[in-house]
Amino acid sequence: EDQVTQSPEALRLQEGESSSLNCSYTVSGLRGLFWYRQDPGKGPEFLFTLYSAGEEKEKERLKATLTKKESFLHITAPKPEDSATYLCAVPRSGGSYIPTFGRGTSLIVHP
Amino acid sequence: ETGVTQSPTHLIKTRGQQVTLRCSSQSGHNTVSWYQQALGQGPQFIFQYYREEENGRGNFPPRFSGLQFPNYSSELNVNALELDDSALYLCASSLGSIGIAAGELFFGEGSRLTVL
Repeated sequence: EDQVTQSPEALRLQEGESSSLNCSYTVSGLRGLFWYRQDPGKGPEFLFTLYSAGEEKEKERLKATLTKKESFLHITAPKPEDSATYLCAVPRSGGSYIPTFGRGTSLIVHP
Repeated sequence: ETGVTQSPTHLIKTRGQQVTLRCSSQSGHNTVSWYQQALGQGPQFIFQYYREEENGRGNFPPRFSGLQFPNYSSELNVNALELDDSALYLCASSLGSIGIAAGELFFGEGSRLTVL
């Protein structure tokens, strides 16, 4: 069964303190990986698709990377508005690309 | 361009009742997926509809059912509600059901269901 594990479960940073979130997965034949951001009480917001190992994507202070076993979401000089839950997802097994989500990392950035 | 809208935003039901949740997909999107998100958990896939037909289903019992209409809007129906059905129900639309773009979902803000 496909499994997505995110760590840490929660992370508190000071404004400007860079860090990384981890997403590890067990799937047979990776066919891409997705990152989403979710604010409290809202639906997730799509951030990135990483198509294959070695690929990197950037958006403002966020940079996502992908290896054959895991993905990292690097946050450089975060601001309080980056506070959210970050969700990682991989396509379900069986050929579809419907995302299977991890439990997420709750990030709080203090001013 | 309108985004994904869901209704109602909040509702309270009692055990054994039935509920219908509604979703309007983003303009131009023909695929709708429904997810259940319990507190502190990631979204769990319920099912997907593409052009009015079920196109995939997660590990949910048959009392979870759905419909998609010709305008691509959708409904999620849950019968015989149980306490564990209390969750945020998320609808998401995508441009197509195949290829990796099918994983780039646009979510609504969800319907918060409480079962007493």
